[in-house]
Amino acid sequence: NAGVTQTPKFRVLKTGQSMTLLCAQDMNHEYMYWYRQDPGMGLRLIHYSVGEGTTAKGEVPDGYNVSRLKKQNFLLGLESAAPSQTSVYFCASSYEGPGQGGEKLFFGSGTQLSVL
Amino acid sequence: GQNIDQPTEMTATEGAIVQINCTYQTSGFNGLFWYQQHAGEAPTFLSYNVLDGLEEKGRFSSFLSRSKGYSYLLLKELQMKDSASYLCAGRDSNYQLIWGAGTKLIIKP
Repeated sequence: NAGVTQTPKFRVLKTGQSMTLLCAQDMNHEYMYWYRQDPGMGLRLIHYSVGEGTTAKGEVPDGYNVSRLKKQNFLLGLESAAPSQTSVYFCASSYEGPGQGGEKLFFGSGTQLSVL
Repeated sequence: GQNIDQPTEMTATEGAIVQINCTYQTSGFNGLFWYQQHAGEAPTFLSYNVLDGLEEKGRFSSFLSRSKGYSYLLLKELQMKDSASYLCAGRDSNYQLIWGAGTKLIIKP
C-alpha cells in the first residue's frame, strides 16, 4: 500500500526558475494539503484542497500555486523560485476534514528544495 | 496570536519514561494532536485529544487539560527507535492546525 507519494525527493533550483511537485495518494482521501517545514518552526500550511477541482489558500500561499484536477493528485507549483522558498515540502491527505472529528493526516516522505 | 510551545530538545535513557510537554494558545480549541517524525522522514500520527484526561495507546499516552491550555505526551519503556522529533499541533476555532516546532528526543543507551 503506497499511501502518499511525493516526487521528487530532492531538487535544486536557481532563483527565478519554475518547478512542480507532484503528490499522489491511493487512499481515496478527499482532503489534501501542502506544508512547508523550516528549521525551528512548525509546519506551515501553504494550500489545501477539500475535493477534486477545489483549492484554497493556507497560511503561507504567496509564491505558490496548486491544482487538483484528479482526486488522487495534488500539484504544487513555484512560478519563480526565491531563496526564501528553500524548505522541506510535505504533502498530506486525510479522509475526514476539519470539523469532522480527529482527522488523521497521512504525510508523504517530503521534498528537500534548495533555491540558489 | 496563536502559539504552540514545546521544548526544543530532551534527552532520556533507554528503558526509562519521558514526558514531553506542550502548551497552546489558540483562538478557540478543537483538539490537540501529537505526531512523531524520525529524522528525514514524514510525520506520523500518534494521538488526538479533544476532551480532558489521559488517552493511553500501548507505550504512548497523551494527556490534555483544556483549562490550562496544556498537553503532554508520555513515553514509557523507551526504546532506541523512539529517538525522533515529536510535534504538537492544536486546532483552533476555524479548525486550522497550529503546529509547534517539535521536540527532538534523544535516547541514550
